This record gives sequence, structure tokens and C-alpha cells, in this order.
Amino acid sequence: EVQLVESGGSLVQPGRSLKLSCTASGFTFGDYVISWVRQAPGKGLEWVGFIRSKAYGGTTEYAASVRGRFTISRDDSKSIAYLQMNSLKTEDTAVYYCTRLYSGYVSAWGQGTLVTVSS
Amino acid sequence: AIQLTQSPSSLSSSVGDRVTITCRASQGISSALAWYQQKPGKAPKLLIYDASSLESGVPSRFSGSGSGTDFTLTISSLQPEDFATYYCQQFNSYPSFGPGTKVDIK
Repeated sequence: EVQLVESGGSLVQPGRSLKLSCTASGFTFGDYVISWVRQAPGKGLEWVGFIRSKAYGGTTEYAASVRGRFTISRDDSKSIAYLQMNSLKTEDTAVYYCTRLYSGYVSAWGQGTLVTVSS
Repeated sequence: AIQLTQSPSSLSSSVGDRVTITCRASQGISSALAWYQQKPGKAPKLLIYDASSLESGVPSRFSGSGSGTDFTLTISSLQPEDFATYYCQQFNSYPSFGPGTKVDIK
């Protein structure tokens, strides 16, 4: 069974940093693009960014709203992806989903982890 | 960046109704469009990919159509478990989601 489990969400003050983890199982992690999608309370879905597989250079892309503040990385040996979030803003408050992409579509979702940015 | 719009933003329907949701892209995206269903407190679920391909395990009452800039998700006979919010998503360029359409009970 394909599983993605996020961890690391918490309450954090504006300007601080937080790192989320996504632990995968049930598939060959290194073969897939992994992305992060967030959803602010009561709002729609927003793509945060994604990291390609090593076969495609392991490069990353980010939404304009987080570019320069957030960094996605991956450790294929552990089947874990990370989202490092720096200089957090109140508008970053959201449930963050780790997702697996296939041909550009989300073929698997984690359960989500809540990040609350507030003083 | 490619923008997606959805209409309507919400609708009220009864069990058994035929429901149609439209997604429009700001520029042509060929058939690079997916549809997701999200229920409160849950992660979204993929229903349709490549505009019209039904994801494995998804009931056949769901169907998708369209190409270029205009796309449609149709539920042929609404069931109680279909009351949810539906999102379209494109991956022709950097991915983006539509704003969502909430389907609730009339």
C-alpha cells in the first residue's frame, strides 16, 4: 500500500523556521516526483513546490509565494522528503500535504500536517 | 502562469441529479487536466486525469471531457457520498489548481 506520512507541523512564530518531513512507503520512492501542496483554513489548494527524481536531475520548482524562503529536498535512501520553511509568515498557516506525482497528477496524498504561524 | 477558473463556485443538488462542473484555463493546456474530490478534513482524491481518463477504483458515474481551455466534470447520478468540493488541476506548465466547486445537498 502506498503511504505518505507527514510530520513536523506545529505552532511557530512569524519569522521563525520549521522543517517538515514526509516518510514514504509502498513504492520505489526514488522514481517519483514529490511535491508539497498546502491548504489554508477554509481555502483551496495551493502548490508549494516539487522535487524531481534523480533521474531528472533532482531539481526543484517553487511557487512564487514561497520561492527563496522554502526548500524541498529528498533522501532516497530513507524514502523521505523534506520541506524546510524559513522566514515564516502568518499567511503560511495551512495544512501541508506531501504528494506523489505521476505524469503531472497527484497519485497519492499524505494525511497532511498543520502549520500555524502566529505570535 | 496558467490560471484556472471553475464554475459554479458552489451548487446545491439532490441525490440522483446530473451535475456538471466547468474548468477553464487561461491558455491552452491540451489535455493536461485532472479532477480531484475533497471531503472535509480529508486529503483530496484523484478522480480523472488527462482530462477524461478515469482513475482506477473511481465509480463510472464520474466522467471528464474537454481539451485546450475548456473542461467539464460530470457526475451522471449524484450519490450521497459525492457531496464534497471538486478541484481541477493543470500540469501543462508549473502546476496549479482551480479555486474549487462545492457540491452540497439541496
